[in-house]
Amino acid sequence: KAGVTQTPRYLIKTRGQQVTLSCSPISGHRSVSWYQQTPGQGLQFLFEYFSETQRNKGNFPGRFSGRQFSNSRSEMNVSTLELGDSALYLCASSLGLAGLSGTDTQYFGPGTRLTVL
Amino acid sequence: QKEVEQNSGPLSVPEGAIASLNCTYSDRGSQSFFWYRQYSGKSPELIMFIYSNGDKEDGRFTAQLNKASQYVSLLIRDSQPSDSATYLCAVKKLSGTYKYIFGTGTRLKVLA
Repeated sequence: KAGVTQTPRYLIKTRGQQVTLSCSPISGHRSVSWYQQTPGQGLQFLFEYFSETQRNKGNFPGRFSGRQFSNSRSEMNVSTLELGDSALYLCASSLGLAGLSGTDTQYFGPGTRLTVL
Repeated sequence: QKEVEQNSGPLSVPEGAIASLNCTYSDRGSQSFFWYRQYSGKSPELIMFIYSNGDKEDGRFTAQLNKASQYVSLLIRDSQPSDSATYLCAVKKLSGTYKYIFGTGTRLKVLA
């Protein structure tokens, strides 16, 4: 079974630009979550999509947005990039089951390393 | 107070020893607990999960959960230099639907 894939793996942008990152979940997984990871802050939750609907949202400004398609693939967009947006952006997929279920485990993709100059 | 707390380390142990990694959480409604390993420059990979009080063993790894003390730990037996990595604790909690909260990780160094 193929794992979570993310494209592109590396991106260099300048301040003010916008960027779109893509994530393809494991086949059969309907939930896709996005995280930002920086050395100082660790893994910060951005948002989660399930069946094309945003189900959860972290504490990030509106410049960060996302969407999910009918095939569960997800995209994340960051507009008006700032230097502080430089980070590793990780996508994780899971079945999306609520409740007590250890089987609903998140699996991470390789990440997209974004550098903002 | 952070929702999930881990000592950042580094925790240094000699090869062959038992490494003990600890994690505390603040929300008693937390349901499932996960341990991930992350090598430098790589993404987190799942080691194991636990959701019932007690111990759960998987090879050289044992997860321990104590919900009364809001404490989860990971023991690595016969530590190897290849175990040197950052270990992330994650808690799944019900919040509207549910969400995962990650600790900032403990850096483990296994000395050959």
